[in-house]
Amino acid sequence: NAGVMQNPRHLVRRRGQEARLRCSPMKGHSHVYWYRQLPEEGLKFMVYLQKENIIDESGMPKERFSAEFPKEGPSILRIQQVVRGDSAAYFCASSPGTTRDEQYFGPGTRLTVT
Amino acid sequence: GENVEQHPSTLSVQEGDSAVIKCTYSDSASNYFPWYKQELGKRPQLIIDIRSNVGEKKDQRIAVTLNKTAKHFSLHITETQPEDSAVYFCAPQGYSTLTFGKGTMLLVSP
Repeated sequence: NAGVMQNPRHLVRRRGQEARLRCSPMKGHSHVYWYRQLPEEGLKFMVYLQKENIIDESGMPKERFSAEFPKEGPSILRIQQVVRGDSAAYFCASSPGTTRDEQYFGPGTRLTVT
Repeated sequence: GENVEQHPSTLSVQEGDSAVIKCTYSDSASNYFPWYKQELGKRPQLIIDIRSNVGEKKDQRIAVTLNKTAKHFSLHITETQPEDSAVYFCAPQGYSTLTFGKGTMLLVSP
C-alpha cells in the first residue's frame, strides 16, 4: 500500500526557469494539499485540491504559482520564473475526505534555486 | 485565519524524563487537533490526534489533552528516549487545512 509519492525528491533550477513538482496521493485518497516549508520553520499551507477542482488556494502566492489535479495523473505544483526565495521543501499531503480527516504527507521535494 | 502558537520552541530533557509541549489556537471552529513529528530532512509524520468531543487520548508513551474552552492542546511524552528527538508540530484543522505551529525542537540526551 504505497504512501503519498512525490517527485522529484530534489530539484535544482536557475533563476527564471520553471519548476514542476508532482504528487501522487495515497490509493483511495481524492484530496491533495500542498505545503511549503522554509528552513527551520513550520509548514505553510498553499493550496487544497480535489480532482479537477481547486478548493482553497488562499495560501498560494498570486503570481508565478499554479496548481492542478487533473482527472488522470498526479497533482502538479508549477512555479514559473523561479527566484532564490522559492528555495524550500514542498510537501504534499493527501486525505480520503474533507474536514476532520488525517492528512498523510509525502517525502517532499527540495527545490534549490541557484 | 487561524493563529497558532507553540511553546516552548526548544526543549531539552534527559532520557527517561517527561516532555510537554503546548499549543494554543484562535479559531473556535477548529475540531481536529493533530501532532506531527518531523525528523531532520524527513516528512512530517502524524503521531497522535484528538477530536473536539474528547478531552484526552493516549497511545503508549504519547498522550494529547485538549481544553477547547481555553483553546489549547498539549502533547505529553513520557519515558523519553533519544529517538524521540525531533521537531514536533501542532496543526489544528479548521475547515479543510492544517495550520502548523512553528515547531518545538525536542532534544533527548542519553
